[in-house]
Amino acid sequence: SQKIEQNSEALNIQEGKTATLTCNYTNYSPAYLQWYRQDPGRGPVFLLLIRENEKEKRKERLKVTFDTTLKQSLFHITASQPADSATYLCALFSNTNAGKSTFGDGTTLTVKP
Amino acid sequence: SQTIHQWPATLVQPVGSPLSLECTVEGTSNPNLYWYRQAAGRGLQLLFYSVGIGQISSEVPQNLSASRPQDRQFILSSKKLLLSDSGFYLCAWRQWKGRSGNTIYFGEGSWLTVV
Repeated sequence: SQKIEQNSEALNIQEGKTATLTCNYTNYSPAYLQWYRQDPGRGPVFLLLIRENEKEKRKERLKVTFDTTLKQSLFHITASQPADSATYLCALFSNTNAGKSTFGDGTTLTVKP
Repeated sequence: SQTIHQWPATLVQPVGSPLSLECTVEGTSNPNLYWYRQAAGRGLQLLFYSVGIGQISSEVPQNLSASRPQDRQFILSSKKLLLSDSGFYLCAWRQWKGRSGNTIYFGEGSWLTVV
């Protein structure tokens, strides 16, 4: 069955450092992968999408890589700030109309001032 | 712009009581609609999805059901709630755009506590 693993449940880093979150998957050939941010008690908010034929995508302080050979995506937040503290979810999507997705359990990032 | 509304935001229901969560999307037509459930500290579990009016697909066996009476309305229901139905329920929508890539947009969620 399809499975997604995000590297750890919690990640604590110091303000200004780069946070790196990992998403590994098995038994899946996704068309694309997305990263979401979720604050406590709120719905997830879309951050970045990367397609199967893309290696890297950037948006401001965010960078996502996608290695379909390793079946892994890395999510980086550079110059991290306490406001970046949240849970980050990765999700894999197949390329069908139903767009069924598989979400990881998330990694909770805490950026300490 | 598109918006998604989900209600109620919070509810406490006794075991065996019925449930109705409602979700509407504005600013788009013929969206794909989804119901997810999230247990505390866990990822999202897809419960139901719909690609059109009256078309419902269930992903997991359970005592919940979903309906889509209108294009932009999605309802999650139960006739008799179980304790295990407690959780955070999220409605979401997506506009199918073929290979150009897609994003799922989530509502604010509904906290359900079954007591």
